[in-house]
Amino acid sequence: GESVGLHLPTLSVQEGDNSIINCAYSNSASDYFIWYKQESGKGPQFIIDIRSNMDKRQGQRVTVLLNKTVKHLSLQIAATQAGDSAVYFCAENLHFGNEKLTFGTGTRLTIIP
Amino acid sequence: EAGVAQSPRYKIIEKRQSVAFWCNPISGHATLYWYQQILGQGPKLLIQFQNNGVVDDSQLPKDRFSAERLKGVDSTLKIQPAKLEDSAVYLCASSRGQGLTGNTIYFGEGSWLTVV
Repeated sequence: GESVGLHLPTLSVQEGDNSIINCAYSNSASDYFIWYKQESGKGPQFIIDIRSNMDKRQGQRVTVLLNKTVKHLSLQIAATQAGDSAVYFCAENLHFGNEKLTFGTGTRLTIIP
Repeated sequence: EAGVAQSPRYKIIEKRQSVAFWCNPISGHATLYWYQQILGQGPKLLIQFQNNGVVDDSQLPKDRFSAERLKGVDSTLKIQPAKLEDSAVYLCASSRGQGLTGNTIYFGEGSWLTVV
């Protein structure tokens, strides 16, 4: 079946630098995409979402970019902090309003002090 | 606002035994999900409820897994008999409901199951 994949399983970033986490999705019919952060021993925490009719959305220190042409999603974290260390998942949903998410494997972000 | 509550947080059982997990969603959330997360992988949907009805249970191993949400609020996920490969985190999540804008899915902390 369709699945969401990630380019890199691990990413190490110097504290204060910007982080970019990438994700490739395969279902061109997906309408809605979400980034989740999962800290060790905790459940996934919603970060930011984007609908397929947008190509960019900004939140507090985070930006999600969507390129439907190449089916690529990215999460940019500005001025990365120690507390950003976690596994980041992108998830896709076929129909906005009927959320049923397909998750990728995840990228572990490690912050170097 | 209280989040999604799950219990127990940790459980160790022997194979072929049974186990049950409980979930209390965010107040007012009509949709409830159970996900299975195996170590090193992303969560995988097991079952989705809308109020007390099942929307999707296509990935639930029905020979050993069962779930119910009798009154449209709390839910229970049961595994009987457990297998070694059932060792995972069982995540409960909830959302306001289908067809609503801003329908974010919120997750609980998870119930960690180890089958030995």
